[in-house]
Amino acid sequence: GQQVMQIPQYQHVQEGEDFTTYCNSSTTLSNIQWYKQRPGGHPVFLIQLVKSGEVKKQKRLTFQFGEAKKNSSLHITATQTTDVGTYFCAGPGLTGGGNKLTFGTGTQLKVEL
Amino acid sequence: NAGVTQTPKFQVLKTGQSMTLQCAQDMNHEYMSWYRQDPGMGLRLIHYSVGAGITDQGEVPNGYNVSRSTTEDFPLRLLSAAPSQTSVYFCASSGGGIYNEQFFGPGTRLTVL
Repeated sequence: GQQVMQIPQYQHVQEGEDFTTYCNSSTTLSNIQWYKQRPGGHPVFLIQLVKSGEVKKQKRLTFQFGEAKKNSSLHITATQTTDVGTYFCAGPGLTGGGNKLTFGTGTQLKVEL
Repeated sequence: NAGVTQTPKFQVLKTGQSMTLQCAQDMNHEYMSWYRQDPGMGLRLIHYSVGAGITDQGEVPNGYNVSRSTTEDFPLRLLSAAPSQTSVYFCASSGGGIYNEQFFGPGTRLTVL
């Protein structure tokens, strides 16, 4: 079945440092979504990328969808303590349509002062 | 709008007991899903529904039943609880279409002794 892997699994940074998490799918994706989950909370949608090579920015966050639509990345510039949490990518499954998502394993970000 | 609501927030069961996790949404979304989250394994899809009266299995359906009698409600039933079902359970809904952002409920933390 479809697999979506993320690296790294954990990342500790000093506040102000940059952070990047990478997402790789075993199959071509029609689109990819990114979610953030704060400790003790539930996943919250951040963004969806649809086009090959697409790049989108949200303030300090930059999201990229690979040319082959099998990988994606999330880059945070100058991390802040509010960025703490686990970041998940998710892609549509092979069946069930775009609403049946396969989630990546997640990258847990810790930011130290 | 309340969004996606889940009850209970916490539950402790003994092995062999049955129970139902409740999920409701007030956004008139057609798509609803149940996920379980275990440490280091991201979110895994249990069952999903593309509309009232229609359900299908996800990645890890064994030991769980679902039904979708109305658009609003999507309960998850544990038939005979096992310690392996100790997890955090999230319900999610989405409106479908090209941009299919998933809205998650707050989760139910289940412990099976």
